[in-house]
Amino acid sequence: AQKITQTQPGMFVQEKEAVTLDCTYDTSDPSYGLFWYKQPSSGEMIFLIYQGSYDQQNATEGRYSLNFQKARKSANLVISASQLGDSAMYFCAMREGPSGSARQLTFGSGTQLTVLP
Amino acid sequence: NAGVTQTPKFQVLKTGQSMTLQCAQDMNHEYMSWYRQDPGMGLRLIHYSVGAGITDQGEVPNGYNVSRSTTEDFPLRLLSAAPSQTSVYFCASTELGGTEKLFFGSGTQLSVL
Repeated sequence: AQKITQTQPGMFVQEKEAVTLDCTYDTSDPSYGLFWYKQPSSGEMIFLIYQGSYDQQNATEGRYSLNFQKARKSANLVISASQLGDSAMYFCAMREGPSGSARQLTFGSGTQLTVLP
Repeated sequence: NAGVTQTPKFQVLKTGQSMTLQCAQDMNHEYMSWYRQDPGMGLRLIHYSVGAGITDQGEVPNGYNVSRSTTEDFPLRLLSAAPSQTSVYFCASTELGGTEKLFFGSGTQLSVL
């Protein structure tokens, strides 16, 4: 079974509107971390946001928030007030087990977001 | 700050040739790793290291070797390149015990003919 599933290969959003990118995960480990990374057309990988499995509140970083629904095993990324510069590929990723010395990530296949003017 | 530096940025190999992708970081990070990115598949972990002298395999290690003789450097070796190794390769590093944010290099586009 896929550990990280991103079911939206492509998404479009109008500039200044909010958009939700879906991510579901599969793990039996009670300790894990969930990440979102952005990859613009230039190719670099940019860290956006992190949510730990024991975190009580949803993570937020500026215009990015992570809608963490533990029972549903979902970790959707919400981008508020979309900007043209948000057009990029977005990857959801998971680290399984206690963070300790583990930094190995499993990535989803990504969602290509296009922001329309 | 240089961060994570990967060289070369582009490389074309013939089947059977060997080469080394270089990765260096100047942030004193204990953890370093190599991923490959193929169309439609996201990134997959090849090898990783939690410190000098310590390496371990990731999800797709076959055909690749690594070593970690210093904290700064983590080269990836292709011993006998195959067309299936055509991909974009990313090196990433982070500290242990603190933030889990991975710092990525700019990637190496490798084509094996």
